[in-house]
Amino acid sequence: DVVMTQTPPSLSVAIGQSVSISCKSSQSLVYSDGKTYLHWLLQSPGQSPKLLIYQVSNLGSGVPDRFSGTGSQKDFTLKISRVEAEDLGVYYCVQATHFPYTFGAGTKLELK
Amino acid sequence: EVQLVETGGGLVQPGKSLKLTCATSGFTFSNAWMDWVRQSPEKQLEWVAQIKDKSNNYATYYAESVKGRFTISRDDSKSSVYLQMNSLKEEDTAIYYCTRGRRFAYWGQGTLVTVSS
Repeated sequence: DVVMTQTPPSLSVAIGQSVSISCKSSQSLVYSDGKTYLHWLLQSPGQSPKLLIYQVSNLGSGVPDRFSGTGSQKDFTLKISRVEAEDLGVYYCVQATHFPYTFGAGTKLELK
Repeated sequence: EVQLVETGGGLVQPGKSLKLTCATSGFTFSNAWMDWVRQSPEKQLEWVAQIKDKSNNYATYYAESVKGRFTISRDDSKSSVYLQMNSLKEEDTAIYYCTRGRRFAYWGQGTLVTVSS
């Protein structure tokens, strides 16, 4: 199985700060169609996960452009610019290139 | 508006069975690939199963941890996807979500399955 290693496990940030979360996979996530099925999800407290970024760098519907994703092959980063209170929760990366699909362990974003 | 509503969870003894249903609306279900994902009490997300659409012969895929015990199916006429869970184990205790597509673009609210004697 593809192992998704997410760091850091938690972050404490002030409103307005910028933060980055790393996600590294044990195998390349480039699929045979040339696309990279690496996505980022946010689970706010008490809620279901929500798609933030799909295929490395594409914003999900309604997601503010404070969120951005970069990376390739096995190394990916989610950046949040100017953190707002509504951004708190747990961020997960997930790969949907190889079966079984696998998730990172999550990064908990807390506000200072 | 896209909606996914999971039902069928509950408390069940080890070795017993349970069937989950995910009723959907707001999109063309017959073209969609559908997945089940579960979240353990420790909050770890685990992909469980996928069923593709008719053009892909309704192909199914499973996590090793559930292969041979769980069966994913769909009814395009009802825009619904199902998860039949047999021989349940305590480690199957989780919130079960259905999601649409390879992007995990839409999620239901989840249904809690507790396996305990």
